[in-house]
Amino acid sequence: DVKVTQSSRYLVKRTGEKVFLECVQDMDHENMFWYRQDPGLGLRLIYFSYDVKMKEKGDIPEGYSVSREKKERFSLILESASTNQTSMYLCASSAAARAHGYTFGSGTRLTVV
Amino acid sequence: AQKVTQAQTEISVVEKEDVTLDCVYETRDTTYYLFWYKQPPSGELVFLIRRNSFDEQNEISGRYSWNFQKSTSSFNFTITASQVVDSAVYFCALSEGSNDYKLSFGAGTTVTVRA
Repeated sequence: DVKVTQSSRYLVKRTGEKVFLECVQDMDHENMFWYRQDPGLGLRLIYFSYDVKMKEKGDIPEGYSVSREKKERFSLILESASTNQTSMYLCASSAAARAHGYTFGSGTRLTVV
Repeated sequence: AQKVTQAQTEISVVEKEDVTLDCVYETRDTTYYLFWYKQPPSGELVFLIRRNSFDEQNEISGRYSWNFQKSTSSFNFTITASQVVDSAVYFCALSEGSNDYKLSFGAGTTVTVRA
């Protein structure tokens, strides 16, 4: 069964901490994405990567960075967590083929206190 | 500007009722794809359907059906004879030909089916 795995289901971090959210996919997909989900706003794209070491900003990249050192792993980094980054974070991957659709992970619910 | 609008925030129905979820999209591309995803309480978004802009045929899959109308830029989703297991958040999404690896999501519609 193909999967996108997010390392943590729930995280609680303190303001100012550096936070790493990890995502691993086993489908050999080229594209990987990080979204955040907030009530009434749907899913908003933070960053995506279309190849190893390649990354592009999405719609709301401020306060975040990413790392993709290996094809299967895409990390989201909150350099200095703030309370407005409390949210559900969803990782997804897709093949390079046009509009193939995404496979999502189960999400990480991050609370910054 | 919002590219995908799901005007209904929440819908509550009794089991066996039909429920229709509205989705209106906005794009200048002639080639694009539309999607519906389901997010059950477990949190993982589940792919339901993908439709390309050149195929306006409606589709039925079991109790699910989709009505794509380019004239009104709508891609509505109907659940027939709803069941409690249909309770979830449903998202409509758009992928545009000019940027086709990126999905733009609507805000989602929460469907609650009561026994």
